[in-house]
Amino acid sequence: QKEVEQDPGPLSVPEGAIVSLNCTYSNSAFQYFMWYRQYSRKGPELLMYTYSSGNKEDGRFTAQVDKSSKYISLFIRDSQPSDSATYLCATTGDFKTIFGAGTRLFVKA
Amino acid sequence: DGGITQSPKYLFRKEGQNVTLSCEQNLNHDAMYWYRQDPGQGLRLIYYSQIVNDFQKGDIAEGYSVSREKKESFPLTVTSAQKNPTAFYLCASSDPGRRGSASTDTQYFGPGTRLTVL
Repeated sequence: QKEVEQDPGPLSVPEGAIVSLNCTYSNSAFQYFMWYRQYSRKGPELLMYTYSSGNKEDGRFTAQVDKSSKYISLFIRDSQPSDSATYLCATTGDFKTIFGAGTRLFVKA
Repeated sequence: DGGITQSPKYLFRKEGQNVTLSCEQNLNHDAMYWYRQDPGQGLRLIYYSQIVNDFQKGDIAEGYSVSREKKESFPLTVTSAQKNPTAFYLCASSDPGRRGSASTDTQYFGPGTRLTVL
């Protein structure tokens, strides 16, 4: 079993839709959770990070962590074509960072 | 303007050749990492270094070598022993010494180098 599981997609949505991206993890010791956005042929850029359970909002993006179910989510409101990218979840603890495989998102105009 | 730079952006290698990928950061981060990214497989850790003159193997270190002589630099050599080197290589850095801060262990990535074996 992988330590972080993420559906690779692709996920295709119309412009303006609410997007939900999800990951599950297996190690209950992980406490820091990140979402990265990666455009084609570019390096991942940090989008959001959260510590432990709860929600964090930044503009159209909301990161959610549910430690009881080991489930992390990224919600994108009012999705735009410029949001089309691969989104990677990651979790870290004890100098070890584990990345999900990434979900490819396409937002159609 | 702080950040991580990688060069070259594209690299072509003939079979049997060693090549070195450059990674430089001016973020004053102690830790640096090398990942390999293949389609559908996510990021796989090759090597990482937490301080100067020290580094550890990651999950797929065979056929690769690194050095960490300066805090700012962490070059990766892809040797001829690496059987399938064609991939996208990403360098990252982080500041794990600041435990307790919200950015603990958050890794920041360079733009990547795409290596193709001819």
